[in-house]
Amino acid sequence: NAGVTQTPKFQVLKTGQSMTLQCAQDMNHEYMSWYRQDPGMGLRLIHYSVGAGITDQGEVPNGYNVSRSTTEDFPLRLLSAAPSQTSVYFCASGTGPSYEQYFGPGTRLTVT
Amino acid sequence: AQTVTQSQPEMSVQEAETVTLSCTYDTSENNYYLFWYKQPPSRQMILVIRQEAYKQQNATENRFSVNFQKAAKSFSLKISDSQLGDTAMYFCAFMTTGNQFYFGTGTSLTVIP
Repeated sequence: NAGVTQTPKFQVLKTGQSMTLQCAQDMNHEYMSWYRQDPGMGLRLIHYSVGAGITDQGEVPNGYNVSRSTTEDFPLRLLSAAPSQTSVYFCASGTGPSYEQYFGPGTRLTVT
Repeated sequence: AQTVTQSQPEMSVQEAETVTLSCTYDTSENNYYLFWYKQPPSRQMILVIRQEAYKQQNATENRFSVNFQKAAKSFSLKISDSQLGDTAMYFCAFMTTGNQFYFGTGTSLTVIP
């Protein structure tokens, strides 16, 4: 099993550009989530999904979109990148009842 | 509002000694799950230990154990026989019945040889 995979590992964007961060898991987990990690802030939940076709907002959803068409994939879309979105992004998956999170390796995104 | 507070930004411990990392949280829910995650310099997040709020017995996992005080909303992590590989950021987290995870700001632990 590859676990949770994320692509790309690094990305630099210009302000206003859009892009999609990819996340996939091969553990048949129903729960998938996206976090951002900023210095001194810990991890903050952006969006999450409890199954294909179901998504919901977390703590910091503004500027991000998600969809969940399959159990395996949970892409995160930045609609119009802003410098405030410079961060490290983690995707995670989990299974019930506690949905303990298994994390991907992260994507370091810089918006200039 | 759900919050997680880790009041120790940095800690250090001598190799082979014991260290305790503190965590408090605030929630109005009665059923939830608590976690400690470790993030070494590689950046990979690794689950250390999990506790169900409805269980009174404290969770243990080899050298790692927790002290869960539900009434005080406290969830500390004890690391026994500290090893150099324990050097990492440690994050406390909890998950509500609404399926949302909340993380603390982390404690940077350094194990000194």
